[in-house]
Amino acid sequence: TQLLEQSPQFLSIQEGENLTVYCNSSSVFSSLQWYRQEPGEGPVLLVTVVTGGEVKKLKRLTFQFGDARKDSSLHITAAQPGDTGLYLCAGDGEYGNKLVFGAGTILRVKS
Amino acid sequence: NAGVTQTPKFQVLKTGQSMTLQCAQDMNHEYMSWYRQDPGMGLRLIHYSVGAGITDQGEVPNGYNVSRSTTEDFPLRLLSAAPSQTSVYFCASSYRPGGNTEAFFGQGTRLTVV
Repeated sequence: TQLLEQSPQFLSIQEGENLTVYCNSSSVFSSLQWYRQEPGEGPVLLVTVVTGGEVKKLKRLTFQFGDARKDSSLHITAAQPGDTGLYLCAGDGEYGNKLVFGAGTILRVKS
Repeated sequence: NAGVTQTPKFQVLKTGQSMTLQCAQDMNHEYMSWYRQDPGMGLRLIHYSVGAGITDQGEVPNGYNVSRSTTEDFPLRLLSAAPSQTSVYFCASSYRPGGNTEAFFGQGTRLTVV
């Protein structure tokens, strides 16, 4: 069974601070995705990383896929209250369409 | 631009009742899935389908049935509701551009079983 562990579970920071969320596994994934979910809504795909060592940037968000394709990180620079939400990583593993999700990181950015 | 539509948004059931959660997508995706989301546990796969007429079990299938008669629709049936099925349910449709899954989720159904 493939598992993804996210840390931290909860993060409360002030506006303007930087933060990093981690997603780790002992299994290799063909790709990893990051989703953001707001209260009362479904998760929305932010990015997919495919190649080991790949770095993708989405405005103030930087996503990295580990060289061995077992882990990923999400770094937010100068967090804003609009970044508040639940961040989920998901792995596209051995069963193709069956995504494996981490438990999520709740981010709260205070103004 | 509907995407994935789930109904109802909220539901309260009594223990032992049955009901069907509806899910429809208009993106012509082959793959559809049902997840449940519980605090601290992320999204857990209940059932999934790789195309019309084909369904399979996910991680937590007990107490749920699905069918896929058309590409667009993928209803989830609770046979005899139990308090342990209190959760938020998400339907997703997905495709695999370049071989990597990208999922699109509905807004969810918040179900309470009393």
